[in-house]
Amino acid sequence: GAGVSQSPSNKVTEKGKDVELRCDPISGHTALYWYRQSLGQGLEFLIYFQGNSAPDKSGLPSDRFSAERTGGSVSTLTIQRTQQEDSAVYLCASSRVAGEQFFGPGTRLTVL
Amino acid sequence: GNSVTQMEGPVTLSEEAFLTINCTYTATGYPSLFWYVQYPGEGLQLLLKATKADDKGSNKGFEATYRKETTSFHLEKGSVQVSDSAVYFCARIQGAQKLVFGQGTRLTINP
Repeated sequence: GAGVSQSPSNKVTEKGKDVELRCDPISGHTALYWYRQSLGQGLEFLIYFQGNSAPDKSGLPSDRFSAERTGGSVSTLTIQRTQQEDSAVYLCASSRVAGEQFFGPGTRLTVL
Repeated sequence: GNSVTQMEGPVTLSEEAFLTINCTYTATGYPSLFWYVQYPGEGLQLLLKATKADDKGSNKGFEATYRKETTSFHLEKGSVQVSDSAVYFCARIQGAQKLVFGQGTRLTINP
């Protein structure tokens, strides 16, 4: 079946604008994760959804970042009032409960 | 704290050379440990894993042994190929399921 897909693959935006990044997990995977890969910080965890449980938001760097997962499937990561330090590759992964995490190709975000 | 430390790169080797990429971790308890690989232009993918002390993970000729005495999970391969050129990430599980990654090591294999 299809892997994790993310859109857009690339996003260029101006400082101060809001952006939305989308993740389509593998069908049947109940867990979904967002990570960020940047030059300065490496690969870091942002947020984790598991089924209908409250998400683990402990990795979100500021209140400008939020994410939701509708119907237990597609997830959207929203960054409000983007800053240049938000420039990074945003990775989504999904898994079965306690299973291997499968990563999507990422969205490269550039904030000018 | 809970962290993962990898040897700094970049690492450049000749084909058929022996590879070691060091990885150490700090943690309470014995978390599952992983090596992920990111080939040029591709997404992150799991290379191997070990879920308890003394386990050895292996895949594609790569191996890593979970050493609780030295809190290490070094990646090794006896004879590297040009196709092994990639960025390698050591990682551990923290909490329920989130991954904590090392900083990554870029490996280049020359023919």
